[in-house]
Amino acid sequence: QVQLVESRGGVVQPQGSLRLSCTASAFAFSNMHWVRQAPGKGLEWLAIIGSDRTTKFYADSVKGRFTISRDSSDNTLFLQMNSLRLEDTAVYYCATDKEWAFEYWGQGTLVTVSS
Amino acid sequence: QAVVTQEPSLTVSPGGTVTLTCGSSLGPVTSGLHPSWIQQRPGQAPTTLIYDTDNKLSWTPGRFSGSLLGGKAALTLSGAQAGDEAVYYCLLSYSVDRRVFGGGTRLTVL
Repeated sequence: QVQLVESRGGVVQPQGSLRLSCTASAFAFSNMHWVRQAPGKGLEWLAIIGSDRTTKFYADSVKGRFTISRDSSDNTLFLQMNSLRLEDTAVYYCATDKEWAFEYWGQGTLVTVSS
Repeated sequence: QAVVTQEPSLTVSPGGTVTLTCGSSLGPVTSGLHPSWIQQRPGQAPTTLIYDTDNKLSWTPGRFSGSLLGGKAALTLSGAQAGDEAVYYCLLSYSVDRRVFGGGTRLTVL
């Protein structure tokens, strides 16, 4: 069974920055995603990165503020979050791609934006 | 801006059958929107059950099935069990950078 483990999130002030990572236990995947869930709310897709590490797409809500990347070994996925807002408070999940869906999910990590 | 609609809540009796649906504000849901279904039990990470309309993952119980029904995507649960109580999210992929979740259906087995 493939496991995805996100790094610990944390508390950050508005306009601050935070980088999340997600490490895969097994082989490198093709496309990978970040998805988030605000407290008590539904799921929101954020970003996808291709196996070429250069093909990247973002949801409008995070475009220009968040950057998705992956390391050369393809075992670690990152999400650099800048200019954080109160509404970015959420549990952040990484997930592998499966034909326009998500196959494996991480356990999630809580990011709290608060002054 | 696409809005994906789901029933807010449904109740099914143990052993019973229930169908959850997923609609799109932009028109009928077709296989071209690659509907998928995600289960989230309380306090747990999401788990994908169905992808690309009707395909199951290796861990998907046989009692779950996906389909298209009357212009919507549908998730049917036949033989509901107490452990199936969860929130079920539908995902529609309009394009590579426009993937929209529905608001979720809270399923109660009672």
